[in-house]
Amino acid sequence: SAVISQKPSRDICQRGTSLTIQCQVDSQVTMMFWYRQQPGQSLTLIATANQGSEATYESGFVIDKFPISRPNLTFSTLTVSNMSPEDSSIYLCSVARTGAGYTFGSGTRLTVV
Amino acid sequence: SQQGEEDPQALSIQEGENATMNCSYKTSINNLQWYRQNSGRGLVHLILIRSNEREKHSGRLRVTLDTSKKSSSLLITASRAADTASYFCALLSQGGSEKLVFGKGMKLTVNP
Repeated sequence: SAVISQKPSRDICQRGTSLTIQCQVDSQVTMMFWYRQQPGQSLTLIATANQGSEATYESGFVIDKFPISRPNLTFSTLTVSNMSPEDSSIYLCSVARTGAGYTFGSGTRLTVV
Repeated sequence: SQQGEEDPQALSIQEGENATMNCSYKTSINNLQWYRQNSGRGLVHLILIRSNEREKHSGRLRVTLDTSKKSSSLLITASRAADTASYFCALLSQGGSEKLVFGKGMKLTVNP
């Protein structure tokens, strides 16, 4: 099964700045998914990252706020731009394993002050 | 809404007891999955049940699916303190999408 290395594991950032989160997968995958988990809440899908094309964003999420890169089949980044305290969340990347559920990165706990 | 909804939202039991969590949903699904999350960390996949399956087992876990009632249940037998976590059901809808939609989750506390 795929193993995902996600970093940073946590960060405290000043409002107005940006943070880039990286996910490295140990095997090639077509799609990678980025989720946000606000405090005490469930996971909400931000976007689907496809290699070689622009990411597909879910309702309520826009590219200017959450730009995503997918330069190859094993790597993706999510940037949280112009941060405000409302962006304080856990951000997780994941990949699908055919017929066997999804594998998640260990998450990035972001606090915006 | 495609989101599943777990019931109860919180459950507290003693070690050795069984824990049952339910998930109801409204859409047609390809499969339904259960995940565990410890203390806000990454999610761990527990079990996947396809729409044409009715029951699956994995160790101390038993999952049932009733597509006519659009509901699933997760049973953890002989619970341990280490089972204390948040549990989520997640739906993969029919139609070829690979987007996994998560329920609101439920908090299980197993007291030693």
